[in-house]
Amino acid sequence: QAHLVQSGAEVKKPGSSVKVSCKASGDMFRSYVISWVRQAPGQGLEWMGEIIPMFAKPTYAPKFKDRVTINADESTRAAYMELTSLRPEDTAVYYCARAVDVDTSYGVWGQGTTVTVSS
Amino acid sequence: QSVLTQPPSVSGAPGQRVTISCTGSSSNIGAGHDVHWYQHLPGRAPKLVIYANENRPSGVSDRFSGSKSGTSAALVVAGVRADDEADYYCHSYDSRLSAPVFGGGTKLTVL
Repeated sequence: QAHLVQSGAEVKKPGSSVKVSCKASGDMFRSYVISWVRQAPGQGLEWMGEIIPMFAKPTYAPKFKDRVTINADESTRAAYMELTSLRPEDTAVYYCARAVDVDTSYGVWGQGTTVTVSS
Repeated sequence: QSVLTQPPSVSGAPGQRVTISCTGSSSNIGAGHDVHWYQHLPGRAPKLVIYANENRPSGVSDRFSGSKSGTSAALVVAGVRADDEADYYCHSYDSRLSAPVFGGGTKLTVL
């Protein structure tokens, strides 16, 4: 059974960067879509971007495209999301999630990584 | 402002039938893109309860059902129970944005 395991909670200063990892186990990693979705306190789910490891070409939501980098390493079956120029409003739980295609459901989710941005 | 519109909250007494709506537009649900539904409990990862409009993943109770018509979709929880209390999100794809989109979420309260 497929699992996604994310890196641990982070506390960051405004202006700094954070990099969250998402390691996959189970069946094929390279051909699935790995998306990053966040939930800020009291807010809904927000899609940030995605990557298909075998193509290694990420797609970003316009809101984040200047600050986010998503990549994947097939050899370690891990995907990464780096967010720069952090602001307090980036405080959120960040999830990776897996889909078969860009317009299909997310059947597998990571456990979430809490990122707190505070001075 | 979410691309897909959901009511902020719904409620029902135990055993009642509760419906959560998800309204989109001609560039997402109305364009024929599938709608998926997730149950989200505090401190947990979202859980897929309906995929491709009306299909239940293995292990999800048959009390959950989904439908889609035109530019809208709905999640029905029949015989609602206390452990159904959660936030529910709809999710689809938007052709104009070329991106997945979520609804704002609906809090289901069991009275």
